[in-house]
Amino acid sequence: GAVVSQHPSWVICKSGTSVKIECRSLDFQATTMFWYRQFPKQSLMLMATSNEGSKATYEQGVEKDKFLINHASLTLSTLTVTSAHPEDSSFYICSAAGRTYEQYFGPGTRLTVT
Amino acid sequence: RKEVEQDPGPFNVPEGATVAFNCTYSNSASQSFFWYRQDCRKEPKLLMSVYSSGNEDGRFTAQLNRASQYISLLIRDSKLSDSATYLCVVNFLYSSASKIIFGSGTRLSIRP
Repeated sequence: GAVVSQHPSWVICKSGTSVKIECRSLDFQATTMFWYRQFPKQSLMLMATSNEGSKATYEQGVEKDKFLINHASLTLSTLTVTSAHPEDSSFYICSAAGRTYEQYFGPGTRLTVT
Repeated sequence: RKEVEQDPGPFNVPEGATVAFNCTYSNSASQSFFWYRQDCRKEPKLLMSVYSSGNEDGRFTAQLNRASQYISLLIRDSKLSDSATYLCVVNFLYSSASKIIFGSGTRLSIRP
């Protein structure tokens, strides 16, 4: 299957700071990238969908000003958690999809806000 | 009603058993269907796409029933390594845009 990388794999930051997470499709061009969040023992929650060169579409209840998504190219999308708070601590996972809609997931980023 | 529903389980079956899960979807405009598996604290991994004609990959068989709006996953001769959460994913057209919905997952535990 296709390879998607995510960086960093884990991060600890202080409350009030911002954290940027990168998602890259390494061997294919992703027309669409997705950002998910997963709390312990819960299912994946889609946060937003982004297509290269256009604004991200956020799911209901997800603050676009808090979770900034940039999808500058067909192989890179970034998620910035601004002014992070302890309740933002979670497992953030990106996925990339081509025209077949098969999603390939990055390994995830575990964010802990202290 | 949720757009994609799965029995959360857990299913606890002995090694070597055959186990099947279903996943129902509510939108008849659904186009693409997938099964993913997710291990604890890991990202989901694509297990197989589900085609209209059904498809088989080794011990795994996926079926699509459009009339009743469900997909199924059958695992034969289950192995300990099959223990995971299985997620069904449905993609459908929504106001000329594509929308992807994940089921909440079915937990499977294989015991020796």
